[in-house]
Amino acid sequence: DGGITQSPKYLFRKEGQNVTLSCEQNLNHDAMYWYRQDPGQGLRLIYYSQIVNDFQKGDIAEGYSVSREKKESFPLTVTSAQKNPTAFYLCASRTSGGRPEQFFGPGTRLTVL
Amino acid sequence: GQQLNQSPQSMFIQEGEDVSMNCTSSSIFNTWLWYKQDPGEGPVLLIALYKAGELTSNGRLTAQFGITRKDSFLNISASIPSDVGIYFCAGSPGGNQFYFGTGTSLTVIP
Repeated sequence: DGGITQSPKYLFRKEGQNVTLSCEQNLNHDAMYWYRQDPGQGLRLIYYSQIVNDFQKGDIAEGYSVSREKKESFPLTVTSAQKNPTAFYLCASRTSGGRPEQFFGPGTRLTVL
Repeated sequence: GQQLNQSPQSMFIQEGEDVSMNCTSSSIFNTWLWYKQDPGEGPVLLIALYKAGELTSNGRLTAQFGITRKDSFLNISASIPSDVGIYFCAGSPGGNQFYFGTGTSLTVIP
C-alpha cells in the first residue's frame, strides 16, 4: 500500500539528548514536511523540502534539523537546543501540480523526561 | 505563519443531527483541504477544493470553497458516533506552504 510511515510511534528522551524521528513515503512525492502539534494549537511548520538535497526552515525551525538525501526519506532530528520538545510530530508529503493534496503520516509522540 | 480562524472550537450534538463548521483566512487561497484527526493519530484528508464556489461531497460530508476565496465550509449530515474527532481545515495561497486552522472538536451523543 502507498503511504507515509513514521517511527517510532512513541519516543522518550532525556533532557540534553538528541533524537531522530523517521519519516518514509512511497507515494513518489517530491515535497515533504514536518509539523509540530500542541494541544489547542494548529499545526506549526518546522521544515519542508521541495526536492532531494534541498530544504527550507519553517516557522519554528530553531532546535531542529533535517536532511533529504533520498526522495523517500525526510528524517527530523530534535536537538538538545529545542527548549520545549515534548509534542506530537507529524510528517507529511504533497502531490505536485495545480491540485495539491497533502497527506500525513501517523505521527510520533515525543516525551522529554 | 498565518493561522486560520476555525469555528466553532467544539460541538456537542445528538446522533442524527447535521453539523456545520467554517474556516476563514485573512488572505486569498487557491486550495482548501479538510481533515479529520482521531486522538493520537495522523490527520486523514477528507475533501480537497480548488475553485471559488466549488462544492464537493464525500459521503455524508460536503465542503465548499467560499466565493471570496478567504473561507471554506464543512457540513456533516446525519451524524453518527464514528464522526467523533477533530476536524480542521488547511489552506494554501499556492506554492508549497499550507496554513492550518486550530480545529473543531466534535462529540456525538448517541
